Amino acid sequence: EDQVTQSPEALRLQEGESSSLNCSYTVSGLRGLFWYRQDPGKGPEFLFTLYSAGEEKEKERLKATLTKKESFLHITAPKPEDSATYLCAVQAGGETSGSRLTFGEGTQLTVNP
Amino acid sequence: DTGVSQDPRHKITKRGQNVTFRCDPISEHNRLYWYRQTLGQGPEFLTYFQNEAQLEKSRLLSDRFSAERPKGSFSTLEIQRTEQGDSAMYLCASSYRPGRYNSPLHFGNGTRLTVT
Repeated sequence: EDQVTQSPEALRLQEGESSSLNCSYTVSGLRGLFWYRQDPGKGPEFLFTLYSAGEEKEKERLKATLTKKESFLHITAPKPEDSATYLCAVQAGGETSGSRLTFGEGTQLTVNP
Repeated sequence: DTGVSQDPRHKITKRGQNVTFRCDPISEHNRLYWYRQTLGQGPEFLTYFQNEAQLEKSRLLSDRFSAERPKGSFSTLEIQRTEQGDSAMYLCASSYRPGRYNSPLHFGNGTRLTVT
């Protein structure tokens, strides 16, 4: 069974204080690892897809990296508007996995001004 | 691209009543997904369609839940004889699969169900 564990559950940062969120996964044949941002009362908003170990993607203050066992979302010099819950999800290969994403429980990030 | 649209945004119902939610995917997307999310948890997969065919259902999807996607366009999710444990946010997502890799899932803003 595919499993995704995110840490920490919650993170408080001061504006400008860089940090990283972790996503550890167990999956039978990774087809893709996805990062989403979710604001309260809204649906998840797509950020990145990573397909293979060593791959990196960047968007503004966010950078996602992938190894064979985990992914990191690095946040450089965060601003209050980066406050949200960040979700990690995996898509497995194979006949029985279909097309579904398996999500972690998320990291709730708060950036104080 | 108007995004994934879900209706209603909020639904309050009494235990034992039936409810139906609607999802309109992004128009060129051929795959549609239903997820459920409770407070403090990540979304949990319920079911997905490719065009009008329902290709996979989660073991979470009890017999009281049914989903349809007639003509491969909008989808409905019906919950019969609702229970308090059904209270959650129900999220719809869509994607397009042009080849080996799927495009990412694009989510709507969900329908929040409260069963009293």
